[in-house]
Amino acid sequence: DAGVIQSPRHEVTEMGQEVTLRCKPISGHDYLFWYRQTMMRGLELLIYFNNNVPIDDSGMPEDRFSAKMPNASFSTLKIQPSEPRDSAVYFCASSLDLRLATYNEQFFGPGTRLTVL
Amino acid sequence: QKEVEQNSGPLSVPEGAIASLNCTYSDRVSQSFFWYRQYSGKSPELIMSIYSNGDKEDGRFTAQLNKASQYVSLLIRDSQPSDSATYLCAVHTGGFKTIFGAGTRLFVKA
Repeated sequence: DAGVIQSPRHEVTEMGQEVTLRCKPISGHDYLFWYRQTMMRGLELLIYFNNNVPIDDSGMPEDRFSAKMPNASFSTLKIQPSEPRDSAVYFCASSLDLRLATYNEQFFGPGTRLTVL
Repeated sequence: QKEVEQNSGPLSVPEGAIASLNCTYSDRVSQSFFWYRQYSGKSPELIMSIYSNGDKEDGRFTAQLNKASQYVSLLIRDSQPSDSATYLCAVHTGGFKTIFGAGTRLFVKA
């Protein structure tokens, strides 16, 4: 398996622009997670999906952030409008089954480094 | 109190020594515990998982779990410069969430 795939790997944009980050989870994994990592705040869970349905979006910082998962193999995280404080590395991760202790390891994609000028 | 706490370090050990990384958590019904290694500029990589009290060994790595004390640790034997990274402790809580600690930076000096 190719692992979790994210695109783009780097994104530089100007304040106010729309940014869309993409993720393809590992085939067969039922859970998909979006994280944001900064030096100041560490790794923060933004939202996670189970079988394409958003389960917990309490970590989404503002209404400017939205996430979708139209099918089992694709998810997007959108920021509109973007602001300089959104600059961070955004990771997507997937997991087989959160309910079973031995199956809830998360596997991370390479991340998207976002810079908002 | 943070849900998962780690000493941010940096922890510096000489090559060949044992590195000891510690983590405490607050949710008593937590079921699964993980250690991730993250090299600078890379994504977190799972290196150990542990579900039961006691020790679990995998090569040079040993994870230790004490649920009564809400404590999990990672020992790295014969530390190598290539082990220099940030180590993230992660705890899967009763609420079906995995909470990550802030990470401990480890430097292994050649």
